[in-house]
Amino acid sequence: ETGVTQTPRHLVMGMTNKKSLKCEQHLGHNAMYWYKQSAKKPLELMFVYNFKEQTENNSVPSRFSPECPNSSHLFLHLHTLQPEDSALYLCASSQVVGGSYEQYFGPGTRLTVT
Amino acid sequence: GEDVEQSLFLSVREGDSSVINCTYTDSSSTYLYWYKQEPGAGLQLLTYIFSNMDMKQDQRLTVLLNKKDKHLSLRIADTQTGDSAIYFCACNAGGTSYGKLTFGQGTILTVHP
Repeated sequence: ETGVTQTPRHLVMGMTNKKSLKCEQHLGHNAMYWYKQSAKKPLELMFVYNFKEQTENNSVPSRFSPECPNSSHLFLHLHTLQPEDSALYLCASSQVVGGSYEQYFGPGTRLTVT
Repeated sequence: GEDVEQSLFLSVREGDSSVINCTYTDSSSTYLYWYKQEPGAGLQLLTYIFSNMDMKQDQRLTVLLNKKDKHLSLRIADTQTGDSAIYFCACNAGGTSYGKLTFGQGTILTVHP
């Protein structure tokens, strides 16, 4: 148990569906991250939120829409996805002021787009 | 930008030591990390080292840092079958305020009985 939870753990959705992934951290951190992990590819950083403000968007397609209502919660809204978006989506959090910046990860959401 | 490289596979016998190597390009990285990922799970932080240290030991884990060569290694003593997993090296980008990490592609460690 890392203090970062993600729901759902598994999600199967059609290309026309809309769904959301949820992440919650109980560590008092002030930064949260979304990563995509595909088979045989390096971990890809998608979005960074720092004190609820988005500070990085790594050229992610607009069919992925993040939302960070407060420092403890992070969402990833999904719509009209493609089969190549099937992957493990990982959320992480960290302290970004005066610390060693280590990130703590949730267990991930395994997404399958049919 | 920062680049982090790792060998893709390592196979060892149970009871032997495992050494996983990593090289990085950003000499201004202040912290370097090792993560473990078991099948179907997220990344678990194993340990990290501050860039002004050469070595850090934590039970069966030893981290060595050669800052001159930008080389990081993780040694696992008395490797067990439960250590079979993917191991990721990561570095924080120097000079940033939000702790962005760059990860290597991961080393798949297989431990044979």
